[in-house]
Amino acid sequence: KAGVTQTPRYLIKTRGQQVTLSCSPISGHRSVSWYQQTPGQGLQFLFEYFSETQRNKGNFPGRFSGRQFSNSRSEMNVSTLELGDSALYLCASSYGLESGNTIYFGEGSWLTVV
Amino acid sequence: AQSVAQPEDQVNVAEGNPLTVKCTYSVSGNPYLFWYVQYPNRGLQFLLKYITGDNLVKGSYGFEAEFNKSQTSFHLKKPSALVSDSALYFCAVRDGTDSWGKLQFGAGTQVVVTP
Repeated sequence: KAGVTQTPRYLIKTRGQQVTLSCSPISGHRSVSWYQQTPGQGLQFLFEYFSETQRNKGNFPGRFSGRQFSNSRSEMNVSTLELGDSALYLCASSYGLESGNTIYFGEGSWLTVV
Repeated sequence: AQSVAQPEDQVNVAEGNPLTVKCTYSVSGNPYLFWYVQYPNRGLQFLLKYITGDNLVKGSYGFEAEFNKSQTSFHLKKPSALVSDSALYFCAVRDGTDSWGKLQFGAGTQVVVTP
């Protein structure tokens, strides 16, 4: 069974631009969540989607947004990029919303803002 | 609110020796605890989790973790470390009162296993 797939793996953007990252969850998983990883802040929760609805949101500015499609695939968008948005963005999926469900992570999308 | 602490930034161990990576947590409800490992330039790999039941949880690659409710700890252990275990390890907690998918991660512990 294929794991969580994220595209693109690496990208470089200029300040002020926007970026869209894509995530395909493990087949059968309906919950998708996103995390940002930076050396200074560590792993931080961005948001979670289930059945195309945002269920939970972390403490990030409105420039960070996401959505989930009917096939459970998800995208996140960052508008008006800042240098501090340079990070590894990790997508994760789980079967459902139960607290005991394992969350599986993708390889991540490395975003560099110059 | 939930929080996780990994008190050691780095753990050094010789190959063949026991490895322990420490984790303490704080949640308001029942804790759901996870360990993940991250190799350079890779995503997070799931190692094991504690939901309920036995306090000793066995996971992938020979790792196990011991849940201690009174000490609010969930230490990761491996009886005999390998050089290939050198990586960044993260402890994470999900609060059972918050049933959504948010994991709170510790800062991570770098494990260095020397031959």
